[in-house]
Amino acid sequence: GAVVSQHPSRVICKSGTSVKIECRSLDFQATTMFWYRQFPKQSLMLMATSNEGSKATYEQGVEKDKFLINHASLTLSTLTVTSAHPEDSSFYICSARDLTPSNSPLHFGNGTRLTVT
Amino acid sequence: GDSVTQMEGPVTLSEEAFLTINCTYTATGYPSLFWYVQYPGEGLQLLLKATKADDKGSNKGFEATYRKETTSFHLEKGSVQVSDSAVYFCALSDWGAQKLVFGQGTRLTINP
Repeated sequence: GAVVSQHPSRVICKSGTSVKIECRSLDFQATTMFWYRQFPKQSLMLMATSNEGSKATYEQGVEKDKFLINHASLTLSTLTVTSAHPEDSSFYICSARDLTPSNSPLHFGNGTRLTVT
Repeated sequence: GDSVTQMEGPVTLSEEAFLTINCTYTATGYPSLFWYVQYPGEGLQLLLKATKADDKGSNKGFEATYRKETTSFHLEKGSVQVSDSAVYFCALSDWGAQKLVFGQGTRLTINP
């Protein structure tokens, strides 16, 4: 079945540095990918919708300059957390859907746990 | 805006017990409703879905019925197994099942 691969699964970085998270659709093409953030014991919150070849669409309250999204191909979207701070520590999950058929389900990556020290 | 509320966990049951995880929603339109499951160390997987009122989604012994009158989509299973231990998320979408709004998740632990 369709698989979405996220990398890295865990990352620890120091305050002020930037971290890039990759989301790849392994056996299908996705014009749209979604980035979610999950706080401990809380729901997944949609951060942004990543569109191949165009600018991402951010949800209200999400800082565009802090969470940079690049969707350069039909199989890869990246999320870069810039100038990370401890409050950015969280679990980030991406999802994608096959172009066809039109009612194919969303597939989720295994998530990336970011810890900022 | 749209929202989903799940019963708080964690939920701990013995094997073969009956399971209910409550889910209610608020939406302006006519959403599709989903249950996703997240096993330890893995991503979310679609468990079942329903796209219109009175539809029943079912998979792996789990069922949920889209109740428009009570805005609910409760998850049920008649006899749970240890392998059902996971976190379950209720979700809705009112746009072609792409943009999802999730409940907070319910951690389920089944003891042998």
